[in-house]
Amino acid sequence: TQLLEQSPQFLSIQEGENLTVYCNSSSVFSSLQWYRQEPGEGPVLLVTVVTGGEVKKLKRLTFQFGDARKDSSLHITAAQPGDTGLYLCAGEYGNKLVFGAGTILRVKS
Amino acid sequence: GAGVSQSPSNKVTEKGKDVELRCDPISGHTALYWYRQSLGQGLEFLIYFQGNSAPDKSGLPSDRFSAERTGGSVSTLTIQRTQQEDSAVYLCASSLSTSGGTDTQYFGPGTRLTVL
Repeated sequence: TQLLEQSPQFLSIQEGENLTVYCNSSSVFSSLQWYRQEPGEGPVLLVTVVTGGEVKKLKRLTFQFGDARKDSSLHITAAQPGDTGLYLCAGEYGNKLVFGAGTILRVKS
Repeated sequence: GAGVSQSPSNKVTEKGKDVELRCDPISGHTALYWYRQSLGQGLEFLIYFQGNSAPDKSGLPSDRFSAERTGGSVSTLTIQRTQQEDSAVYLCASSLSTSGGTDTQYFGPGTRLTVL
């Protein structure tokens, strides 16, 4: 059983479209991180959200942490082919990170 | 180099053989983590080293898996009597300090292990 559920598992969209990826849990996390991973490479941290209700923006990416600190979302505006990759959320649980299964995003030009 | 390095990048072995995977963390990073990633899946925590403290081995899936970190730097993950279900990408990450998940973890490129 995944502690963190990500949806959708796979997303294929056209360049210029908007999308949202969700990360949900029944557990409360002290912080939540989003990573992007490309084939043959390790995940790279995009953002860490700590406060319930927090919203962070990184260019065309908007990250939100739920008020109860159990869920998070990643919204991408006007997706580009360079956004293609595996997006992973990870929650801080004790002294470890617990990862979701990831969302594979493919942006077609 | 400045990042986390792992070797080998690919390892193909026969069922029943032992394998050793190596991780060189970023210099000065006191925390080191090993994860396993199966095809298209998220990362599964295996083991965590923090300075001179006893490692957190709670994620190791069986007693065939072990890891060492010598001199607070390089780490080796050993899998004995490999099984086909051990096939995965093994990722190593390091971070600066003791507060675990909130510190940025920097990942290596991984070792892709294939057990035939």
